[in-house]
Amino acid sequence: DIQMTQSPSSLSASVGDRVTITCRASQSISNYVNWYQQKPGKAPKLLIYAASSLQSGVPSRFSGSGSGTVFTLTVSSLQPEDFATYYCQQTHSAHSFGGGTKVVIK
Amino acid sequence: EVQLVESGGGLVQPGGSLRLSCAASGFTFTKHWMSWVRQAPGKGLEWVANIKQDGSEKYYVDSVRGRFTISRDNAKNSLYLQMNNLRAEDTAVYYCARGEEWLLYRVAFDVWGQGTMVTVSS
Repeated sequence: DIQMTQSPSSLSASVGDRVTITCRASQSISNYVNWYQQKPGKAPKLLIYAASSLQSGVPSRFSGSGSGTVFTLTVSSLQPEDFATYYCQQTHSAHSFGGGTKVVIK
Repeated sequence: EVQLVESGGGLVQPGGSLRLSCAASGFTFTKHWMSWVRQAPGKGLEWVANIKQDGSEKYYVDSVRGRFTISRDNAKNSLYLQMNNLRAEDTAVYYCARGEEWLLYRVAFDVWGQGTMVTVSS
């Protein structure tokens, strides 16, 4: 089974900060990675698919990159509505998620 | 409006069974893979199962294989999850999600339901 290891598990940041979250796969998975945002009590929301493609309607301050085993989600300038938990997901085999990264206000 | 609405959650004893349903509307159901994803209280997301557009292929996470069965009724625009021999560790919010296929067999979950809570406890 492919394991997705996210880091950090949590981070504190201020509005306007640039934030980067990393996901490492236990084996090479090409670009078969999606990223989601989840707020408390809500369903997840798709942000990025195919490692770097921005989902329709998602602000351009979100971007994704990577291929193979290392993937990153970057928020270029954190906004108040971006404080949430973020998950990566691999779709190489099955659809396992990373453990999540909680972004909190500094 | 594109929508997924889950139902069927509740409290069940260990070893019991439950059937979850997900009603889809506002899109062509037969064009999409469909999945179940769960989230235990205070924990992360766990993909549970998915099913191909015509129901011909089904995949499961190891922890539920042999106990859970995913199915769909395309005539009713509905997705189901039959859960048997339930365990305490199956306690979670269960979401149904639509898979948008951006490459053959590669999907992203672009529409989610609101979730239904399943509690396994005596």
